[in-house]
Amino acid sequence: AQSVTQLGSHVSVSEGALVLLRCNYSSSVPPYLFWYVQYPNQGLQLLLKYTSAATLVKGINGFEAEFKKSETSFHLTKPSAHMSDAAEYFCAVSDSGPSGSRLTFGEGTQLTVNP
Amino acid sequence: ETGVTQTPRHLVMGMTNKKSLKCEQHLGHNAMYWYKQSAKKPLELMFVYNFKEQTENNSVPSRFSPECPNSSHLFLHLHTLQPEDSALYLCASSSLTGTDTQYFGPGTRLTVL
Repeated sequence: AQSVTQLGSHVSVSEGALVLLRCNYSSSVPPYLFWYVQYPNQGLQLLLKYTSAATLVKGINGFEAEFKKSETSFHLTKPSAHMSDAAEYFCAVSDSGPSGSRLTFGEGTQLTVNP
Repeated sequence: ETGVTQTPRHLVMGMTNKKSLKCEQHLGHNAMYWYKQSAKKPLELMFVYNFKEQTENNSVPSRFSPECPNSSHLFLHLHTLQPEDSALYLCASSSLTGTDTQYFGPGTRLTVL
């Protein structure tokens, strides 16, 4: 069984500061990992995904994440936070099988950006 | 229209009502999903359809009845719901590979009175 743990349900940063959102996963097979963002009253939008190619993955809006197998982590970072980054962020691990891409999500991290 | 669309965006219903949620994807995908997103809980996968066939039902109560008439459309029929069913219902679609991304619609915010 797969699982995802997001450390910190709420993260608050100042505008221009580093954003670090933590994600640890558990998987019995090489994982495919995703970060999604959800703005208020909207669905989930893909930020980036890891599919066993480069361990450092670059996504949209200046975000990136590094896959570290030894730490079973896939933390999301952005060098300089912008007010528009305020949203909820979800880490997910994919379980491939006959049902297609079955995602297991973490509980989410609400990011607040202070002016 | 592009991507995944859902209608209605908001729905208020009584416990004795019958209503339906609609999802349509314009991405040529073969798999479609229903998720429930409740406050302070992880997203819960409800149903999975591949090529119109239901391949997964995660112990969802029978008051939720999905329907997938073709690979582009997915419905969730609702009847005799409970107040605890109030949530954001998200539809997603993907290709049938483990690495492929699920694309989400904007969701239907359901309130059961």
